Amino acid sequence: KNQVEQSPQSLIILEGKNCTLQCNYTVSPFSNLRWYKQDTGRGPVSLTIMTFSENTKSNGRYTATLDADTKQSSLHITASQLSDSASYICVVSVKSSGDKLTFGTGTRLAVRP
Amino acid sequence: DTAVSQTPKYLVTQMGNDKSIKCEQNLGHDTMYWYKQDSKKFLKIMFSYNNKELIINETVPNRFSPKSPDKAHLNLHINSLELGDSAVYFCASARGQGYSPLHFGNGTRLTVT
Repeated sequence: KNQVEQSPQSLIILEGKNCTLQCNYTVSPFSNLRWYKQDTGRGPVSLTIMTFSENTKSNGRYTATLDADTKQSSLHITASQLSDSASYICVVSVKSSGDKLTFGTGTRLAVRP
Repeated sequence: DTAVSQTPKYLVTQMGNDKSIKCEQNLGHDTMYWYKQDSKKFLKIMFSYNNKELIINETVPNRFSPKSPDKAHLNLHINSLELGDSAVYFCASARGQGYSPLHFGNGTRLTVT
C-alpha cells in the first residue's frame, strides 16, 4: 500500500532557528516527491519537486533532500520567520498513467517570536 | 489576478440538500482536480480532468458529480448531502500531468448539519 508518513506531527521553534522535517514513503513505482506549504485557511503552495535523480533542491530558505534508496526526504528551513508557521505536506507521485499523488498528513510548524 | 478561484468559500447546508462548488483557473492549465481534506488535514484526490476529459475518478459516492464545461472550469455538484461530507474541498490545476506542480484554490469549507 502506498503510504507517506511525516514526522514530527507538530513542532514549535523560536524565530530565527533552523528546523528539519522528515518524510518517509513506501510509494512504488516512484516518480517524484513534492513539498507543499499550507497556511491556515489557504490551499497548499508548492515549495519543491524532486525526481529520482535529484538529491537536493532549494527554494529560498527551504531546502529539500531526497534519498531514493532509503525512501526518505527532509525539508530544512533556515533562519525561520513567523510567516513560516504553517503545515508542511510531503507528497509522492506514483509513476503511472495520470499523476496519482499520495499525500502525507503534514507537519504543523509554529514559529514563536 | 487570482490563479485558481473557488466559490463559495464557506457553505453551510442541511442534510439531504444538493449543492455545487465552482472552480475556475486562469493559468491556462490543461488538468484540473478536486481534493477533499478531512478533519485530520489529510488530502485525498476525488477527480481529475484533462482537457475536459475525466482521467481519475477515485472511490467517491456517485452523489458527487464533477462537470467541466471547458478546460478552465471544473465544478463539483453534490446530491443528497450527508453529515460525512463535511470537509474542506480544494480545487487544483496543473500544466499537463506528471511533473507539474499543483496550484490549489483556497478551499471551500462545507458544513452539513
